[in-house]
Amino acid sequence: TQLLEQSPQFLSIQEGENLTVYCNSSSVFSSLQWYRQEPGEGPVLLVTVVTGGEVKKLKRLTFQFGDARKDSSLHITAAQPGDTGLYLCAGANGGTYKYIFGTGTRLKVLA
Amino acid sequence: SQTIHQWPATLVQPVGSPLSLECTVEGTSNPNLYWYRQAAGRGLQLLFYSVGIGQISSEVPQNLSASRPQDRQFILSSKKLLLSDSGFYLCALDRGETDTQYFGPGTRLTVL
Repeated sequence: TQLLEQSPQFLSIQEGENLTVYCNSSSVFSSLQWYRQEPGEGPVLLVTVVTGGEVKKLKRLTFQFGDARKDSSLHITAAQPGDTGLYLCAGANGGTYKYIFGTGTRLKVLA
Repeated sequence: SQTIHQWPATLVQPVGSPLSLECTVEGTSNPNLYWYRQAAGRGLQLLFYSVGIGQISSEVPQNLSASRPQDRQFILSSKKLLLSDSGFYLCALDRGETDTQYFGPGTRLTVL
């Protein structure tokens, strides 16, 4: 059974701090997605990474896909209260229609 | 770009009552469609997916069923709700050529 473990589960930090969220698996994925979800809303796609070792930047967010395509990280620089939310990673295997979701990291950024 | 609509946004139902949640899609054709359930603040559990009209695959045996009567319509149903059916239900799509899903706004179901 494929599993994606996210760490930490909860994170509360002060505005301006940096943080990293990890998404780990023993399985290989063809791609990996990161989402942010606000309470009572659907997840919103942040990025898709598909190549081992790939790094993508989205303003203050940096996403990295592991060389072996088994893990990923999300680094946020100078966190802001607007970054607060539930961060979910999801691994995909092309053509199987099955996305494996991580357990989520709940981030709270205090002003 | 595609848009996913879910109806209703919130629903409170008694145990034993029927259920029908609707998901409709705009801006794309022939999508793969998915139903997920999310426990409070946690990850997503895949319930059903569909690659075309009338084609439904179930991932978890349970009290729910799904149907796809039209290309852009996906329905989640139950004949008799259980307390354990409470949760946040999300409809999602992908376009098949990429491994990226897009989600609707969700339906909050509370079974009392």
